[in-house]
Amino acid sequence: GEDVEQSLFLSVREGDSSVINCTYTDSSSTYLYWYKQEPGAGLQLLTYIFSNMDMKQDQRLTVLLNKKDKHLSLRIADTQTGDSAIYFCAESHSGGGADGLTFGKGTHLIIQP
Amino acid sequence: SQTIHQWPATLVQPVGSPLSLECTVEGTSNPNLYWYRQAAGRGLQLLFYSVGIGQISSEVPQNLSASRPQDRQFILSSKKLLLSDSGFYLCAWSRGSGELFFGEGSRLTVL
Repeated sequence: GEDVEQSLFLSVREGDSSVINCTYTDSSSTYLYWYKQEPGAGLQLLTYIFSNMDMKQDQRLTVLLNKKDKHLSLRIADTQTGDSAIYFCAESHSGGGADGLTFGKGTHLIIQP
Repeated sequence: SQTIHQWPATLVQPVGSPLSLECTVEGTSNPNLYWYRQAAGRGLQLLFYSVGIGQISSEVPQNLSASRPQDRQFILSSKKLLLSDSGFYLCAWSRGSGELFFGEGSRLTVL
């Protein structure tokens, strides 16, 4: 079945780059997503990448996709205290069905001053 | 623009009591609608999804149920809550098979 794995915690110093990693199993995924969840709130879509792309950059965010290794990463440059949140990796299901996305368990990004 | 609202935001209920969480979407028609539950350390678990009025697909057997009485309304219910039903419930919508847009969540505590 489909599975998405992420580390549960990442601690970085303010101003450094954060790299959050994710592995997935469904090689037929069309899109891969990164969501951000702040405390007590819903999930907010940060960015996504189409499966035929290797990289996507959007301001401080860089997404890298290694389709051969089924590895996705999110790099946040110049990490700020406002970046402290849980980051979820998600993949669309093969076949493009309506049954939502498969999410990882989320990585808690902790910012040290 | 599209918006999604769910309520109540916080709920404390005794074991055995009923539950009703409501979600509505504005600014779009015929959305796919979803209920997810987020429990500590377990990520997001898809509970139900719906592709149209009266059409509900259940992903996980449990004492919860969902209904879609109107195109942009999705309701999560239970007749008798269990302690294990505690968690953070998230409603979401999508246009098709792509990205999901989430509501702000409902925190349920069953005592």
